Amino acid sequence: GQNIDQPTEMTATEGAIVQINCTYQTSGFNGLFWYQQHAGEAPTFLSYNVLDGLEEKGRFSSFLSRSKGYSYLLLKELQMKDSASYLCAVKDSNYQLIWGAGTKLIIKP
Amino acid sequence: NAGVTQTPKFRVLKTGQSMTLLCAQDMNHEYMYWYRQDPGMGLRLIHYSVGEGTTAKGEVPDGYNVSRLKKQNFLLGLESAAPSQTSVYFCASSSTGGSGEETQYFGPGTRLLVL
Repeated sequence: GQNIDQPTEMTATEGAIVQINCTYQTSGFNGLFWYQQHAGEAPTFLSYNVLDGLEEKGRFSSFLSRSKGYSYLLLKELQMKDSASYLCAVKDSNYQLIWGAGTKLIIKP
Repeated sequence: NAGVTQTPKFRVLKTGQSMTLLCAQDMNHEYMYWYRQDPGMGLRLIHYSVGEGTTAKGEVPDGYNVSRLKKQNFLLGLESAAPSQTSVYFCASSSTGGSGEETQYFGPGTRLLVL
């Protein structure tokens, strides 16, 4: 079966750095996405990786290792507004997105 | 540019009642999707459409029907609601569904409670 694992919840301090991990086992791989979802709102796109390595977008970076079935999202200089759930999703061989359950990130002052 | 909109935002149904959820997008996207989101679980695909007049089953299609009569609209129907269908329903769209950075854009969600 297809499976995506992420930690359920993480806590970090304002101004700090946090790394959210995602491991996956899917039938085929056509890219990995990270989405942000604030409570009661829709998911919004953060990043996309299809090749191994690090993609940087301002305070957010995303890393991919296809051989290990592993990705992480790195958030720097945390702000209170970063409190949200972060969803990892993999596009499988049928180009369907398989979603993890999400990691709820709590930022404390 | 409204993006993806959903109607209604919230609804309470009794077991056995029917309803239709409406999704509309103004981005001229070919692909549209219906997901449900339940606590502790990832988004699960119910049905999707790769173009006007076409629909296909996703991971959890039982108890739902869909129609895509117009390119901009994707309707999700519940013929006889059950408490197990209590969930948050998200509609999404993308320009294509193929490889590459084809981002899905999500609507604000419909919260459905079936008693």
